[in-house]
Amino acid sequence: DTAVSQTPKYLVTQMGNDKSIKCEQNLGHDTMYWYKQDSKKFLKIMFSYNNKELIINETVPNRFSPKSPDKAHLNLHINSLELGDSAVYFCASSPSDGWGNVYGYTFGSGTRLTVV
Amino acid sequence: AQTVTQSQPEMSVQEAETVTLSCTYDTSESDYYLFWYKQPPSRQMILVIRQEAYKQQNATENRFSVNFQKAAKSFSLKISDSQLGDAAMYFCAYRPSGTYKYIFGTGTRLKVLA
Repeated sequence: DTAVSQTPKYLVTQMGNDKSIKCEQNLGHDTMYWYKQDSKKFLKIMFSYNNKELIINETVPNRFSPKSPDKAHLNLHINSLELGDSAVYFCASSPSDGWGNVYGYTFGSGTRLTVV
Repeated sequence: AQTVTQSQPEMSVQEAETVTLSCTYDTSESDYYLFWYKQPPSRQMILVIRQEAYKQQNATENRFSVNFQKAAKSFSLKISDSQLGDAAMYFCAYRPSGTYKYIFGTGTRLKVLA
């Protein structure tokens, strides 16, 4: 069973279109994230939800909107796609144990978005 | 500002040899966590090892170990008995306790030579 699954794995679309990427985790984790990895492999956080509540909202164009219908799902919707949005988008999740201990992320396999 | 620096964009190691990847970070926090992640060509990000800053003992996971020097803000990864499957991008990451945000380094590409 895939722990963190993202769909689609590849997405090619034209400028100006609207697209969504879906993420689901079956690990029972409380916190989910979206990261963007650019062409130089740099990873930057975009958003994070903890139990459906938005807790991190980095400086990201408001064309990007996350939605978390429940704590197992975190989707990313992108409006009016631009060439610069081309990147790999990773979903991740992490547990919390109630004691403040920090554990590593479990990542999805990424979605390669290409805007043409 | 909290930053993570990986000064080696690329490293090579002979199969069965040992290699060390360096990572330094800048923080004024005293309580935090450090991680190494591996990203093979498959693109999947895989957690390699985790270190709690309040623990002086260096973390180890099989052939992977770290050299954590808190005062120097250094967190290097040692891979022993390198295998072809170790070829990947390796990312160092820092996360302060009490926050949800990781800060990643720029990565080191490791090549393993047969």
